Amino acid sequence: GAGVSQSPRYKVAKRGQDVALRCDPISGHVSLFWYQQALGQGPEFLTYFQNEAQLDKSGLPSDRFFAERPEGSVSTLKIQRTQQEDSAVYLCASSLVAGTSGRGNEQYFGPGTRLTVT
Amino acid sequence: AQSVTQLDSQVPVFEEAPVELRCNYSSSVSVYLFWYVQYPNQGLQLLLKYLSGSTLVKGINGFEAEFNKSQTSFHLRKPSVHISDTAEYFCAVNSGNKLTFGGGTRVLVKP
Repeated sequence: GAGVSQSPRYKVAKRGQDVALRCDPISGHVSLFWYQQALGQGPEFLTYFQNEAQLDKSGLPSDRFFAERPEGSVSTLKIQRTQQEDSAVYLCASSLVAGTSGRGNEQYFGPGTRLTVT
Repeated sequence: AQSVTQLDSQVPVFEEAPVELRCNYSSSVSVYLFWYVQYPNQGLQLLLKYLSGSTLVKGINGFEAEFNKSQTSFHLRKPSVHISDTAEYFCAVNSGNKLTFGGGTRVLVKP
């Protein structure tokens, strides 16, 4: 595909359920990022992968959040025992080279998954 | 830690009028600055970026921004807006392996 894709686009979960959100980055992109965007706010960083290595997970809000990218391509963000405060849009982004430090490397964003926890 | 402040949460503007969206950042090191646009139910699209060199940066859709190091600002401007520019705009600063975003400015273009 030409861009970053995410699935599902919308997800409704009952409180306490586990959810899995998928991100397909642009083919060949080394870096992959997850962001959380609460209603009416800017995106906030969750985690960063360089190929299959998770180099930064400082933004994950709790140990209920887990992300993986086992083959250095597709990534999955998993949220266990969902809570109402997890309701947000989860954005995935990818970039061609490693990281952004010192390069200003452009991140390409997917359309996001809107998670609603009831 | 770096932070980004967008002073205006909402900016109404008439079609064909100019618009300026304000962005201030805090950082103790050299930064790279970005403006993204988000249309309803879509992801973020890069409008422009400042890496180095000329402080006036031109982007897509007629937008431009000026980097001012002494005022730690990176304001976005467009001389004449269209209805299609109605969207939310985010300023962001590169911070290691991530982007730090401002809270966003919603632009509503009125006919």
